[in-house]
Amino acid sequence: AQSVTQLDSHVSVSEGTPVLLRCNYSSSYSPSLFWYVQHPNKGLQLLLKYTSAATLVKGINGFEAEFKKSETSFHLTKPSAHMSDAAEYFCVVSDLGDSWGKLQFGAGTQVVVTP
Amino acid sequence: DVKVTQSSRYLVKRTGEKVFLECVQDMDHENMFWYRQDPGLGLRLIYFSYDVKMKEKGDIPEGYSVSREKKERFSLILESASTNQTSMYLCASSIGQGTIEAFFGQGTRLTVV
Repeated sequence: AQSVTQLDSHVSVSEGTPVLLRCNYSSSYSPSLFWYVQHPNKGLQLLLKYTSAATLVKGINGFEAEFKKSETSFHLTKPSAHMSDAAEYFCVVSDLGDSWGKLQFGAGTQVVVTP
Repeated sequence: DVKVTQSSRYLVKRTGEKVFLECVQDMDHENMFWYRQDPGLGLRLIYFSYDVKMKEKGDIPEGYSVSREKKERFSLILESASTNQTSMYLCASSIGQGTIEAFFGQGTRLTVV
């Protein structure tokens, strides 16, 4: 079985300061891990994904995440927040042993960016 | 680009009505999914389909059914809508085995009154 815990339901940052969104997962097999972003009234967009290659993954819009197997974590970071980063972010896990590609979503982290 | 299109952005239905939510994808993907999104709960899988006429229950299938008569189209059916089915519904598709990035539609916000 697989599950995801996003440790913060809300994060507030000032524009230009770093962003850290925390995610822990559990997985029976080798996991694939994703971060998706959802802007208000928009669909989900893939930010980045980890699929057993490099543990540091770079995504779109300056985001990156590091897969740490020993800590079962996949935290998302960005060095400098922009107003356009205000959105809801979802950490997602999928077991590579699950050929149907079912995704298990975390509860989401709402990011607020203040000027 | 992959496009996943949901037929309605907003729907208002009455309790007891039969409701159809339609989803179409244009990339010949084998897998299609229906999720429900509620605040504080993230997205929860209702049903998925890995081929035409094939379906599997997800985590919360009760009160729902699905239909996949053609590869590009996946329908979610609420047999008798209830107020606790008021939610945002998201459709997604992905290529078959080995590639598991999913592409999402814009969502349908359903209100049952």
